[in-house]
Amino acid sequence: KAGVTQTPRYLIKTRGQQVTLSCSPISGHRSVSWYQQTPGQGLQFLFEYFSETQRNKGNFPGRFSGRQFSNSRSEMNVSTLELGDSALYLCASSSPGEDTQYFGPGTRLTVL
Amino acid sequence: GIQVEQSPPDLILQEGANSTLRCNFSDSVNNLQWFHQNPWGQLINLFYIPSGTKQNGRLSATTVATERYSLLYISSSQTTDSGVYFCAARVFNKFYFGSGTKLNVKP
Repeated sequence: KAGVTQTPRYLIKTRGQQVTLSCSPISGHRSVSWYQQTPGQGLQFLFEYFSETQRNKGNFPGRFSGRQFSNSRSEMNVSTLELGDSALYLCASSSPGEDTQYFGPGTRLTVL
Repeated sequence: GIQVEQSPPDLILQEGANSTLRCNFSDSVNNLQWFHQNPWGQLINLFYIPSGTKQNGRLSATTVATERYSLLYISSSQTTDSGVYFCAARVFNKFYFGSGTKLNVKP
């Protein structure tokens, strides 16, 4: 099976812009979670989607949003970018009967 | 949410040495995973271990859920083991990551 894929791998934006990141889970996986990784805050949970519904949400402002499509692919959107949004954004997928999360390679976002 | 603490934060080893990484969590968890993050940022599953002991080659892990800790053992370390090791605890569909142990294995 192909692993979790994320696009794009690298992205440079300027403050105030918005960005959309994409994640394709492993075939058959219906749960997709998103994480933000920064040197200062470490790995932090953003949100989880299951069957097109947001099932859990971390402590991030409303500028961070996401959605999941019927094929389980997920997107996350960050509006009005701030310098502090520069980070590695990771998504992970898991199957219904399995508790293990499998991570994609990440999207490295730089906000100038 | 729960607190997940990893120790030590940094570890330097000579190739061939053994090491033990620790993960403490502040409350009961549904599961516990160990990951290795390579220099390119990819998180690689090592173990899914809510309790008990598992081994995979030179790596093994033990979780004592009743005492709220997990240990990752690396034997005969190699330079390719370098990177950051994370433990992550799941509580009600949310994963909480520790701050990681940065391992540097020198040839």
